[in-house]
Amino acid sequence: GDSVTQMEGPVTLSEEAFLTINCTYTATGYPSLFWYVQYPGEGLQLLLKATKADDKGSNKGFEATYRKETTSFHLEKGSVQVSDSAVYFCALGGDQGAQKLVFGQGTRLTINP
Amino acid sequence: NAGVMQNPRHLVRRRGQEARLRCSPMKGHSHVYWYRQLPEEGLKFMVYLQKENIIDESGMPKERFSAEFPKEGPSILRIQQVVRGDSAAYFCASSRQGRDEQYFGPGTRLTVT
Repeated sequence: GDSVTQMEGPVTLSEEAFLTINCTYTATGYPSLFWYVQYPGEGLQLLLKATKADDKGSNKGFEATYRKETTSFHLEKGSVQVSDSAVYFCALGGDQGAQKLVFGQGTRLTINP
Repeated sequence: NAGVMQNPRHLVRRRGQEARLRCSPMKGHSHVYWYRQLPEEGLKFMVYLQKENIIDESGMPKERFSAEFPKEGPSILRIQQVVRGDSAAYFCASSRQGRDEQYFGPGTRLTVT
């Protein structure tokens, strides 16, 4: 079945450091890919998405490119802030759109000032 | 435009009791999804509903769990005879159409004592 594997956390960085959180997937067809962020005590917020190969999703300085050849959707940010501290989830949806989402296990990110 | 509403936010039940979790989708959304998040894990899909219809319940445990989304009112996830292993955060998400991105509520944290 479909699955998502994320870089294990926790990840701790200093402010202004470069961030990469790795995500690879296994799926049939052509799924959509998503990154969600969860702040403490809150629900998930959609951070960015890509719906086809070579698409780049971006939001709030975060970027991720849908790489079909490597089945990857790595999250990157050039300069992180303390406010980026959260848990990040990579997810895939069916090739007909979102429908049910399959999530990775999450990566906890802490940014120190 | 209010987001996805879930209540209660926290629910404590003793073993053997029933738990009822409610989800009101965003205005204009007619598709509801329920996910469960165990401690330190990613979210796992449980069930996908439209008004008065269960579309996909492939993630629901076969016993004690049920879900509904009536023509009027919120979607309800019902857990009968709760056990300690049911302790988790339960998230609801909604979308306008089945192919659209999903918006998540803040979750209900169920604790079974």
